[in-house]
Amino acid sequence: ILNVEQSPQSLHVQEGDSTNFTCSFPSSNFYALHWYRWETAKSPEALFVMTLNGDEKKKGRISATLNTKEGYSYLYIKGSQPEDSATYLCAPSGGGATNKLIFGTGTLLAVQP
Amino acid sequence: DAGVIQSPRHEVTEMGQEVTLRCKPISGHDYLFWYRQTMMRGLELLIYFNNNVPIDDSGMPEDRFSAKMPNASFSTLKIQPSEPRDSAVYFCASSFGESPLHFGNGTRLTVT
Repeated sequence: ILNVEQSPQSLHVQEGDSTNFTCSFPSSNFYALHWYRWETAKSPEALFVMTLNGDEKKKGRISATLNTKEGYSYLYIKGSQPEDSATYLCAPSGGGATNKLIFGTGTLLAVQP
Repeated sequence: DAGVIQSPRHEVTEMGQEVTLRCKPISGHDYLFWYRQTMMRGLELLIYFNNNVPIDDSGMPEDRFSAKMPNASFSTLKIQPSEPRDSAVYFCASSFGESPLHFGNGTRLTVT
């Protein structure tokens, strides 16, 4: 069972601020790390899937990095907008079960105009 | 592509009743997952299937919960008998291989 920790639990920023949050996971038997964005009253939507140490992915103003040796991933949002308000979940897989995603409890981001 | 379809969207039932939640995965996807969302535990994996075969059911809370996938286009999650602590949002998700999960809109279950 993978122990996933996300920090901070919640974050309030002003429109235009850049922000980042952390996902920590056990580095042993790691296979992949998924990031999802979950808006209120909707279902989670995939942002990134990363597998390689040092991997960096970007989608518009959102980017993510991965360090598999030390077991963490950062998600960055540049110039936050109110529509970025959501819960951001990470989910690693590993231990031989490459499709078994264990989700963290997420970081709730609120962007105020 | 209609996405993952779950039914019903809302279910209100009395304690002791049987509840059946339904899921139609995206056509061509070979993995199907059932998750439960609660305030206390977040998004919790209950069970997942690969090619209609249950692979890991270690997250199923107890014997009152059962899940089936009789064919590639349909899965059910059954709770019998239901209890108030089962109240939660239940999500079904599907994927192809190791691609990202596609989630349904969820079923909000309330057991009174």
